[in-house]
Amino acid sequence: DAMVIQNPRYQVTQFGKPVTLSCSQTLNHNVMYWYQQKSSQAPKLLFHYYDKDFNNEADTPDNFQSRRPNTSFCFLDIRSPGLGDAAMYLCATSRQTGQLSTDTQYFGPGTRLTVL
Amino acid sequence: KNEVEQSPQNLTAQEGEFITINCSYSVGISALHWLQQHPGGGIVSLFMLSSGKKKHGRLIATINIQEKHSSLHITASHPRDSAVYICAVRSWNYGGSQGNLIFGKGTKLSVKP
Repeated sequence: DAMVIQNPRYQVTQFGKPVTLSCSQTLNHNVMYWYQQKSSQAPKLLFHYYDKDFNNEADTPDNFQSRRPNTSFCFLDIRSPGLGDAAMYLCATSRQTGQLSTDTQYFGPGTRLTVL
Repeated sequence: KNEVEQSPQNLTAQEGEFITINCSYSVGISALHWLQQHPGGGIVSLFMLSSGKKKHGRLIATINIQEKHSSLHITASHPRDSAVYICAVRSWNYGGSQGNLIFGKGTKLSVKP
């Protein structure tokens, strides 16, 4: 029944060591989002894919990249993690059927990233 | 000033109490979401509203578009309702990103037995 799956749930990496977080969905939604949520803060949108079109938020650091090889999968790559990148990373999906119509977002359980 | 403001920031209630969490926003929106996040957990979407009122079990969400205000009510609260409740709005004229959510900072609810 899982709809939005994130792996791993917990990731520990070393300062500067590249890390990849993955998200998969069984909903066949055309929009996928990556959010960063730091402790006691609201989620912050990093980027989203509308189909294959990549949309980067203006203030997302270049250190964060994303890939979407197909509808079901989306990856978040952190090229050189810093201590400030320790956070919960949330993947979400939605179905956008037209220019003005977007369905509710379905969130994955998140990946908690620790940077040593 | 944040585009989405929630109150209260923290709320402690006794089991069985009726709970209200408020959300005010300052941008034009096409929809408002209420989300629930348990400690260390992911986010669950509770409601998506564009007008009126929705009910699901003990949860009720209302929205007043003219007043730019929404409320989430929990009837007969239970300790398992303890979580952070987040209000998020979808605005078409925010940051150039169509359909993306603007989040409130959340209300941390703790229900004591």
